[in-house]
Amino acid sequence: SQQGEEDPQALSIQEGENATMNCSYKTSINNLQWYRQNSGRGLVHLILIRSNEREKHSGRLRVTLDTSKKSSSLLITASRAADTASYFCATDASDDKIIFGKGTRLHILP
Amino acid sequence: KAGVTQTPRYLIKTRGQQVTLSCSPISGHRSVSWYQQTPGQGLQFLFEYFSETQRNKGNFPGRFSGRQFSNSRSEMNVSTLELGDSALYLCASRFAYEQYFGPGTRLTVT
Repeated sequence: SQQGEEDPQALSIQEGENATMNCSYKTSINNLQWYRQNSGRGLVHLILIRSNEREKHSGRLRVTLDTSKKSSSLLITASRAADTASYFCATDASDDKIIFGKGTRLHILP
Repeated sequence: KAGVTQTPRYLIKTRGQQVTLSCSPISGHRSVSWYQQTPGQGLQFLFEYFSETQRNKGNFPGRFSGRQFSNSRSEMNVSTLELGDSALYLCASRFAYEQYFGPGTRLTVT
C-alpha cells in the first residue's frame, strides 16, 4: 500500500501565484523527499527533509515536515509555466524502502 | 557523470510473452530500484538491488524478477505478460537517500 498520500490530486493556478501541496504518511520515517515528474518521464529529485528537521528551503521551494501529524507540505513560490508537472512525496521507513504517493498534478495557467 | 539509462525506451509485447528491461545506474552507485507506474496505481515499488543482492521487494507476483550484475547494471524480467502489466517502468540508482531516475521504459502489452 502507498505510504504517502498527496493532496490535492490536481491543482491549477495562475502563473506567478504560489502552489502548495500536502503529503500525509502513515508510519515513522527517517526522511521525506519530494520529486517532480514531467509528463511521462523519469522523476527528478527536488528536496529531502530529515525527520529531525521542520523546514527546508531550496530556491523557490519550501518544504515543511510535521512528524507529530505525519504530514509534509511543499510550497512553490512565484510559479512559472515550467513548474507544470506532477509532484510526488516519498518516504523511507525502517525497512529502508522508498515509497511514493500518487502525486499532485500541478498545472500553471498563463 | 552520465545519468541513469534505461533500454529500451518503448516496447510493445503480446500477452503471454516475456520481456527483459535494462538499467545502467550512475557510475559509482551500487543500489538500483525498480518501480512500475500506472495511472491507476501510481508508482509501485518492485524491488531494490544492492551489490548484486536483492535488498527489498514490493508486493508483486513472482512473474516479476530482477537481477544485478557486478558492474551494478540491473535487469528486470516479466514473464507471461498480462494486459495489466502495461506501464512505465522506472529504474533509479540511489546514493544515500536520494534517488536518480532514468527516463523509463514504456511497455505496452496487447
